[in-house]
Amino acid sequence: AQKVTQAQTEISVVEKEDVTLDCVYETRDTTYYLFWYKQPPSGELVFLIRRNSFDEQNEISGRYSWNFQKSTSSFNFTITASQVVDSAVYFCALSESKGAGSYQLTFGKGTKLSVIP
Amino acid sequence: EAQVTQNPRYLITVTGKKLTVTCSQNMNHEYMSWYRQDPGLGLRQIYYSMNVEVTDKGDVPEGYKVSRKEKRNFPLILESPSPNQTSLYFCASSPLMTGAYGYTFGSGTRLTVV
Repeated sequence: AQKVTQAQTEISVVEKEDVTLDCVYETRDTTYYLFWYKQPPSGELVFLIRRNSFDEQNEISGRYSWNFQKSTSSFNFTITASQVVDSAVYFCALSESKGAGSYQLTFGKGTKLSVIP
Repeated sequence: EAQVTQNPRYLITVTGKKLTVTCSQNMNHEYMSWYRQDPGLGLRQIYYSMNVEVTDKGDVPEGYKVSRKEKRNFPLILESPSPNQTSLYFCASSPLMTGAYGYTFGSGTRLTVV
């Protein structure tokens, strides 16, 4: 079973529309960390947010917002008033214990967002 | 500037010719890791290192070797590359393995094996 599921493989929106990228994770740990990364066409990974399992507060940063719900094991990402520069692949990732003091960062398969002018 | 530096950025090589992708960080991070990214598969962990001389396999270690002789460097070695190792590779580092302080990624190395 996938640890991190990003069910939307590709999404296209028209500029200025809002869009939500879904992320569902699976873990038995009580302490874990969730991340979102953006990968623009240039290929580098751009860090967007880190959230620990004890902090369920939603977060807003400009046009970006994140909704963390432990009850549904989801960590969804919303872009408000999308812009062409938001076109990228977005990855959700989970850091959890593998046992014996070891942790692993596991990525979802990514959602490719295309914002059409 | 705090960063993870990978070299080379692009590499085309032939099957069977040994190669090394270097990764260096200047943040004194204990944890370092290698990932490969393939279309439709996301990023998958190849190897990781919790500290100097401590390395362990990730999810897709076959065909790769690593070493961690000093804290700042974590090279990825392909002793006999094959075309199925054509991929985009990322190195990452972190103060702690847990991710509590996040991860810093390199800019990536695009490897093509023909």
